[in-house]
Amino acid sequence: NAGVTQTPKFQVLKTGQSMTLQCAQDMNHNSMYWYRQDPGMGLRLIYYSASEGTTDKGEVPNGYNVSRLNKREFSLRLESAAPSQTSVYFCASSESGVWSPLHFGNGTRLTVT
Amino acid sequence: ILNVEQSPQSLHVQEGDSTNFTCSFPSSNFYALHWYRWETAKSPEALFVMTLNGDEKKKGRISATLNTKEGYSYLYIKGSQPEDSATYLCAFIRGADKLIFGTGTRLQVFP
Repeated sequence: NAGVTQTPKFQVLKTGQSMTLQCAQDMNHNSMYWYRQDPGMGLRLIYYSASEGTTDKGEVPNGYNVSRLNKREFSLRLESAAPSQTSVYFCASSESGVWSPLHFGNGTRLTVT
Repeated sequence: ILNVEQSPQSLHVQEGDSTNFTCSFPSSNFYALHWYRWETAKSPEALFVMTLNGDEKKKGRISATLNTKEGYSYLYIKGSQPEDSATYLCAFIRGADKLIFGTGTRLQVFP
């Protein structure tokens, strides 16, 4: 039982490059989330998916897109990376939305030069 | 208050001391409050999800209380140990479906 698995763990991009962060959970959870963590800012919600087939914007969605591929997988795409997107990205899942505790992955450290 | 605020930002205590910190949140349209523990180089782990005014939750030496009318929650650690050193996050639900986090209280417990 791996919980929430994120890949890759580290990534360096040049400005303008694109990439997809992958997230998968094996707990049969309905809801999945993408957060970014920056020093002094706490965790900020980028996008979330309350259930399979739905996605919604969070606090800081600009520059990102998401896909809820199936119940297990929720990917985050940066179409044209910018230095402001340098951050640590966390994927999380919960059984039934924000009424249940979130289970976090180990994070992806992204640097955009 | 529009967002969740946590105080203090950081705290240093001696092993064996008891400590507490505060999470303040908008008291209108309250749905639930979460507490998480985040150790360095790890990912956040859930401690409590609290929904009712007057709620008290306990997990080992850690407990939390909730006052939804005045918009605050306290987290208490009894007899702090070095392994309690972590950042403690609270988060509230905005608009019934978004979980918004505070910036956390960083606790360091010295032996």
